[in-house]
Amino acid sequence: GAGVSQSPRYKVAKRGQDVALRCDPISGHVSLFWYQQALGQGPEFLTYFQNEAQLDKSGLPSDRFFAERPEGSVSTLKIQRTQQEDSAVYLCASSFSDRASSFGAGTRLSVL
Amino acid sequence: AQRVTQPEKLLSVFKGAPVELKCNYSYSGSPELFWYVQYSRQRLQLLLRHISRESIKGFTADLNKGETSFHLKKPFAQEEDSAMYYCALNNFNKFYFGSGTKLNVKP
Repeated sequence: GAGVSQSPRYKVAKRGQDVALRCDPISGHVSLFWYQQALGQGPEFLTYFQNEAQLDKSGLPSDRFFAERPEGSVSTLKIQRTQQEDSAVYLCASSFSDRASSFGAGTRLSVL
Repeated sequence: AQRVTQPEKLLSVFKGAPVELKCNYSYSGSPELFWYVQYSRQRLQLLLRHISRESIKGFTADLNKGETSFHLKKPFAQEEDSAMYYCALNNFNKFYFGSGTKLNVKP
């Protein structure tokens, strides 16, 4: 594909529901990042993968958040028992070696 | 602790006027800084990075370690420059973003 692809683009969840957000990085990009962007704020780091290894998950806000990238390509961010404060745009980015990232369009999660 | 501050939420200028979007950072080591831009209904994209010392779409940014700043400048703003601009600092592949400045270039 031409760029980072995220699905779904929009997700509405009832409080307490589990959600799964998908990211397809640019082919060949070894690094993959997840960010959370609240309304009116800049993106905030959640976690970082190099191939299938999750090298940094210090930004995950709670143990309800879980990310995986089992084959070093597609990644899934899972949020269990969603809360209203989880409402945000979740951005995925990937990069090869120059550390500047290409971003996806994001998934807008609304928790009611 | 690492932090990126963009003090202006909104900056309005007329077409042809100079523009400067401010970015200040706090970082103990040698920072790696970037500017990202998000045009209306488009995804976030890299504008420029301080390492390459490049000029993209007429924009430049100089790292000033003494003032811990990385302000984005353009001598003559164009209407198509209207967008959200984010300053970002890379710390071992963890990017810290500022809260963004919305640039509005009026005709």
